Amino acid sequence: EPEVTQTPSHQVTQMGQEVILRCVPISNHLYFYWYRQILGQKVEFLVSFYNNEISEKSEIFDDQFSVERPDGSNFTLKIRSTKLEDSAMYFCASIRTGTYEQYFGPGTRLTVT
Amino acid sequence: AQTVTQSQPEMSVQEAETVTLSCTYDTSESDYYLFWYKQPPSRQMILVIRQEAYKQQNATENRFSVNFQKAAKSFSLKISDSQLGDAAMYFCAYRVDSNSGYALNFGKGTSLLVTP
Repeated sequence: EPEVTQTPSHQVTQMGQEVILRCVPISNHLYFYWYRQILGQKVEFLVSFYNNEISEKSEIFDDQFSVERPDGSNFTLKIRSTKLEDSAMYFCASIRTGTYEQYFGPGTRLTVT
Repeated sequence: AQTVTQSQPEMSVQEAETVTLSCTYDTSESDYYLFWYKQPPSRQMILVIRQEAYKQQNATENRFSVNFQKAAKSFSLKISDSQLGDAAMYFCAYRVDSNSGYALNFGKGTSLLVTP
């Protein structure tokens, strides 16, 4: 069964450094998402991406964040200058247009020290 | 703004018993979808069940069923014949059916403990 994959599974970085989290959505899916979950809290929407552009973003997704689909398979989330409060689990998800289920990847745990 | 409220931070159930997790939501939309996701200790998000708002019939998936009360904006999850593997965080989620990007809005979750 096709699945969403994410790399790395765990990333440790120092405050102020740039990080890129990578996702490979399911191949025939057209909408892509990033969510984050701070430990012990709810899952929060960051951004959705469709047709090579952002379709929706939350208040969390400020100028420090960017997304890109650099080729036909990868979908990346970049944090330019990480803060301690960026420490969280980051989930990628994808959906095929006209269907209901968002398929989530296993997540990348980001630790900012 | 749409909000999703899960009023039970923790619930406990004995193996083989039935448990109901509650969820309420606030929206002015008429077309939307509701979901329950399970998050085990691995933290993978797994879809348990979904409900389309335009359907009056409650969704059922094996041991999992929902009680959808549209007028009351309530969407509870019933787990029958609970198993040890059901122990997890359960998140209720809402999605508008529009061109907004279909983002999910999650509640804070209910931690379900299953005791032998």
